[in-house]
Amino acid sequence: NAGVTQTPKFQVLKTGQSMTLQCAQDMNHEYMSWYRQDPGMGLRLIHYSVGAGITDQGEVPNGYNVSRSTTEDFPLRLLSAAPSQTSVYFCASSYGRAHYGYTFGSGTRLTVV
Amino acid sequence: DAKTTQPTSMDCAEGRAANLPCNHSTISGNEYVYWYRQIHSQGPQYIIHGLKNNETNEMASLIITEDRKSSTLILPHATLRDTAVYYCIVRVPNTGGFKTIFGAGTRLFVKA
Repeated sequence: NAGVTQTPKFQVLKTGQSMTLQCAQDMNHEYMSWYRQDPGMGLRLIHYSVGAGITDQGEVPNGYNVSRSTTEDFPLRLLSAAPSQTSVYFCASSYGRAHYGYTFGSGTRLTVV
Repeated sequence: DAKTTQPTSMDCAEGRAANLPCNHSTISGNEYVYWYRQIHSQGPQYIIHGLKNNETNEMASLIITEDRKSSTLILPHATLRDTAVYYCIVRVPNTGGFKTIFGAGTRLFVKA
């Protein structure tokens, strides 16, 4: 049982490049979310999903796309990277019922130059 | 959406109880209170949650006031490893499911 696995752990992109951050969980969790955390700040919700085929926007969705084709995977795509997207990205998952807590991955540190 | 208010930072002596307050005065009847913590550069870790009753687990206790407008997370015997940012969150219901919004949290410093 690996929990929530994020890859890569570190990435440097040039402005305008695109890439996909991977997130996978092996706990059969229905809910998955992506957050970003800027230095010295709390987490901000980018996108979330309540099940395969269902996604919705969070607080800061612009510049990011997601899809949920399987229960296990929830990739986050940066369409055209900008320096403002330099951040640490965390993926989280939980069971669908309201009173379960989230399990977080260890994060992806992204730098856009 | 219900919001939470937490102090920016707190200190605690090692071995003493750490009491972290949280205000959530606009909480609605079906919203749960959750606590997470984030140790430097790691992913957040779930600690405890509750609806209206006080809760205790191996990590902490959660005290929720009768009107549910505030709560306190208690770490009974704080250690240096408890130094972290602690987030109080009210689970926000939304069409089709739930989304979790994090605020800035409380930075707890446990000192020897």
